[in-house]
Parts: sequence; structure tokens; C-alpha cells
Amino acid sequence: GAVVSQHPSWVICKSGTSVKIECRSLDFQATTMFWYRQFPKQSLMLMATSNEGSKATYEQGVEKDKFLINHASLTLSTLTVTSAHPEDSSFYICSAAPSGRETQYFGPGTRLLVL
Amino acid sequence: GNSVTQMEGPVTLSEEAFLTINCTYTATGYPSLFWYVQYPGEGLQLLLKATKADDKGSNKGFEATYRKETTSFHLEKGSVQVSDSAVYFCALSPPRGYNKLIFGAGTRLAVHP
Repeated sequence: GAVVSQHPSWVICKSGTSVKIECRSLDFQATTMFWYRQFPKQSLMLMATSNEGSKATYEQGVEKDKFLINHASLTLSTLTVTSAHPEDSSFYICSAAPSGRETQYFGPGTRLLVL
Repeated sequence: GNSVTQMEGPVTLSEEAFLTINCTYTATGYPSLFWYVQYPGEGLQLLLKATKADDKGSNKGFEATYRKETTSFHLEKGSVQVSDSAVYFCALSPPRGYNKLIFGAGTRLAVHP
């Protein structure tokens, strides 16, 4: 149990286009989902906390107009990278916490390459 | 602020060797501490956790003890296997941090037969 999926697993896009990444909790409901970014050989950096039915909370330095987060249901959160540029190329990881529990379950990640 | 420092990898060991991966933290108050493992091609999985000082988390032969006096949470295993090859992340969740996790840089472990 406690499986989190992400789609797509990798994406290549042209500079200036927008890319949407989905994060789904497959067998549990998650009031809260988290989005992380991981650079090569570096740690996961929390970008934002996504709360079902309300606005996401962004970490300092993360542009909310650049990284749009929608948590429309208890099993789905989406991250849209708008007007992507090469510096947005990275590995994006989501996690979900079952409602009322502390433990987070992580998705397998989405690798984004912006040309 | 809150931060986690892990020993740099890669760590290369022979099967059945003893493993230690050091982790120290900086935090206000009493955070919860975690070790996550990422196997090749998979998402991070919770390996073990401890929520208060002197607690020992354990799972799959791995152990880590929450040491408040040294602000450490070192990961140990007495006898590693090839299947333990993965990247290990130490993390903390600040008190009243709304489940936020702050990760260390990760340590890659490679175990040879």
C-alpha cells in the first residue's frame, strides 16, 4: 500500500512551453502533497506544500507564477512549469502524506529537460 | 535555521561489511528524524524514523539512534548485502513544521559481492 505515482516519468520540451506533471496517491487519500526539486548529486529541495482545496504554500525563493500547483482532489496534485527555460531542467519529485499521518510517501520522480 | 549534513559518498563496501553513514542536524526545538532510501529507478522510501531523544529507529537490519547531545542520527547496519546498494537520505521534520522534510544531500552506497 501507500503508492504514489507520477506522470510523465520524463519529458523533453522546447524553451517557452509549459509542462504539467501529475502526482497521484493510488491507494490512499492525501490532504497534503509536497513538491521537491532535485539537482544532480544534490539534495531534495522542498518547493511547495500542496493542500487539497486551497492555495499551495511556496518556499522562499520559489516563484509561484512560474510553478503553478493545483491540488484539486484528495488523490491528485499537479505541478505546471510555465514558460520553461533550460535552467528549469531538473528532477521533480512529489510526495503525499495520508490524511492525519506524518509519514510521506514519494513518487518515482519526473525528469524534465528543457531545450 | 534547520539543516541536515550527511557524509559524502560514494561509500563502497564488500558484502557483510559494517556500515555507518553519518548524519548531523541543526534545528530549533526537537525535530523528528528520518532515514529514507532510494533504490535505482524507484522513489524514496522511508527506512526508519525517531521522534524524540534517545529513540532508536530500526528496520531491515538498519538502526539509527536520535542523539540530542551530539545532534546526530547516524545510520548503521552490521552486515550489508548487495541489495542494500542505494542512495540514503537523512532528513528532519521541524517541530510544528506541518510535515515538512528537510533533506541531507544523500549518500550513495555501493556493496560488492
